[in-house]
Amino acid sequence: QKEVEQDPGPLSVPEGAIVSLNCTYSNSAFQYFMWYRQYSRKGPELLMYTYSSGNKEDGRFTAQVDKSSKYISLFIRDSQPSDSATYLCAMSGRSGGGADGLTFGKGTHLIIQP
Amino acid sequence: EAGVVQSPRYKIIEKKQPVAFWCNPISGHNTLYWYLQNLGQGPELLIRYENEEAVDDSQLPKDRFSAERLKGVDSTLKIQPAELGDSAVYLCASSFGERDTQYFGPGTRLTVL
Repeated sequence: QKEVEQDPGPLSVPEGAIVSLNCTYSNSAFQYFMWYRQYSRKGPELLMYTYSSGNKEDGRFTAQVDKSSKYISLFIRDSQPSDSATYLCAMSGRSGGGADGLTFGKGTHLIIQP
Repeated sequence: EAGVVQSPRYKIIEKKQPVAFWCNPISGHNTLYWYLQNLGQGPELLIRYENEEAVDDSQLPKDRFSAERLKGVDSTLKIQPAELGDSAVYLCASSFGERDTQYFGPGTRLTVL
């Protein structure tokens, strides 16, 4: 079993729908949780960064962390075709993930249909 | 502000040939990372530099991979000789320090024939 599990999809939803993306993990040492967006032929771009459990909102994006269940989610409201990309969850035991490394999920390929 | 720059963007070589990738991090970023991303997978760390010192190279296959970061700015990742299984995207990232957000470059897509 990998440390971070993420459904690769593809996940296809109509424009305007609420999208829910999820990751589960097994390492209880993870304290910092990130969501990256990666467009085709581009590098990952940081979307959300959260520490420990709770919610964080930024515009149309909401990140949730449930450490008791080892489960994290990213919600996208009013989804747009420009949101079509691969979404990678990443996590680490220390801030920034530099000292102990970022552990990524496989990424979920999201398609927003116009 | 310019982001992380990588070159070349694409490289096609035959197996057993050498290949090198170059990375220029964001100005002022002391920490530099090289990641490997296979198709359909998340990035995996190969090596991390703090200034010019390689502080974590435990995942770097040292029999064929090497890296350097002279003067603590630009970095080069080399593979010699390349194998078919090395076909992947090689990503460079940088951050102010090990506790700060990592910013990724566009990657170099390597195809080994």
